[in-house]
Amino acid sequence: DGGITQSPKYLFRKEGQNVTLSCEQNLNHDAMYWYRQDPGQGLRLIYYSQIVNDFQKGDIAEGYSVSREKKESFPLTVTSAQKNPTAFYLCASSPRQGWGTEAFFGQGTRLTVV
Amino acid sequence: GNSVTQMEGPVTLSEEAFLTINCTYTATGYPSLFWYVQYPGEGLQLLLKATKADDKGSNKGFEATYRKETTSFHLEKGSVQVSDSAVYFCALSFNQAGTALIFGKGTTLSVSS
Repeated sequence: DGGITQSPKYLFRKEGQNVTLSCEQNLNHDAMYWYRQDPGQGLRLIYYSQIVNDFQKGDIAEGYSVSREKKESFPLTVTSAQKNPTAFYLCASSPRQGWGTEAFFGQGTRLTVV
Repeated sequence: GNSVTQMEGPVTLSEEAFLTINCTYTATGYPSLFWYVQYPGEGLQLLLKATKADDKGSNKGFEATYRKETTSFHLEKGSVQVSDSAVYFCALSFNQAGTALIFGKGTTLSVSS
């Protein structure tokens, strides 16, 4: 079945460690996105990519990094520079931008830093 | 800048009650508007959308009309069910390269039997 797969579903890391969240899609979508969700704050955009080998910072990119070496994959690294990394992370994809284009979401990864 | 404002929750209703969740937006230009739903522990699913003024999006008994004059996209359902309990997000996007969906903060709906 086509869709977006995020792994793992739950992730625990010690403070000061970098961690990489996986996002893979088989929808043949050009654009991919990473959002962070915190209680009461909705979804905030971290990074997005409209095409392979290109990506743009979103509203809260500090302390995060991404790569887009393949169309299907858009991994997110949460670095030790991110001051408050515990959150629910959502990956999404969409076809090349068009009127009314919707985004499709993965099931999310809950990251807890202890 | 571009933004979406939703009514704060939680919204608590009894089964078969009428639901309205308010959403207004600020945008430079003419965005497309969306409602997404998130069930506990899951990602977001598209509920409905509208791409131009006066369009009505509908799905699973939910409706929302794109009102350009009031910059609103309120979500309504005539008779809610316990299974509708979830978080609802209003969002907008533009037909431009290099843009992403902009979300409201979400409204939690709790329906009791």
